[in-house]
Amino acid sequence: GENVEQHPSTLSVQEGDSAVIKCTYSDSASNYFPWYKQELGKRPQLIIDIRSNVGEKKDQRIAVTLNKTAKHFSLHITETQPEDSAVYFCAASIGVTALIFGKGTTLSVSS
Amino acid sequence: KAGVTQTPRYLIKTRGQQVTLSCSPISGHRSVSWYQQTPGQGLQFLFEYFSETQRNKGNFPGRFSGRQFSNSRSEMNVSTLELGDSALYLCASSLDGTPYEQYFGPGTRLTVT
Repeated sequence: GENVEQHPSTLSVQEGDSAVIKCTYSDSASNYFPWYKQELGKRPQLIIDIRSNVGEKKDQRIAVTLNKTAKHFSLHITETQPEDSAVYFCAASIGVTALIFGKGTTLSVSS
Repeated sequence: KAGVTQTPRYLIKTRGQQVTLSCSPISGHRSVSWYQQTPGQGLQFLFEYFSETQRNKGNFPGRFSGRQFSNSRSEMNVSTLELGDSALYLCASSLDGTPYEQYFGPGTRLTVT
């Protein structure tokens, strides 16, 4: 069945460093790839998304890149801050109605 | 606009019981999706409703069911609860029935003893 693999499962960086999280999807028909941030005890929040007709999208310190040929996409966070510490989930659309999620990456930013 | 709301926020049930969870989407949103979140499995898709119709269902047993009302509010029901059903149940709404820009509610924490 459809699958999204996310790596790494944990990531520790120093404040000011960059962080990169990578996801691979299996359904070649997927055309929408959102990223969610979930802080402890809170709901997942949509932080950035990309559609298949775009190769890269940026929003301040966050960027997402998509390689449809290789079926992988990545989240890049630059100049990390302690408040970036959270669990990050990637997802890919399945059909026209659903999302399938990766298992998450716990990002820890130490000052 | 008010965000997605879910009730109740916490629930403790005994094995064999059944439970109903409720989700109110963002005003104007017509699609509601439900997910189960557990530490080991992450976010797993349960089902999606649009205009009172279930259009997609994840790989969960028939004990998990749901429905959507004409005002887009949705409920999910789990019958014959098992210990393994303990999880955070999240719903998410989107505007137009696509998976684009889904916004999550705070979740219902279900504990089965």
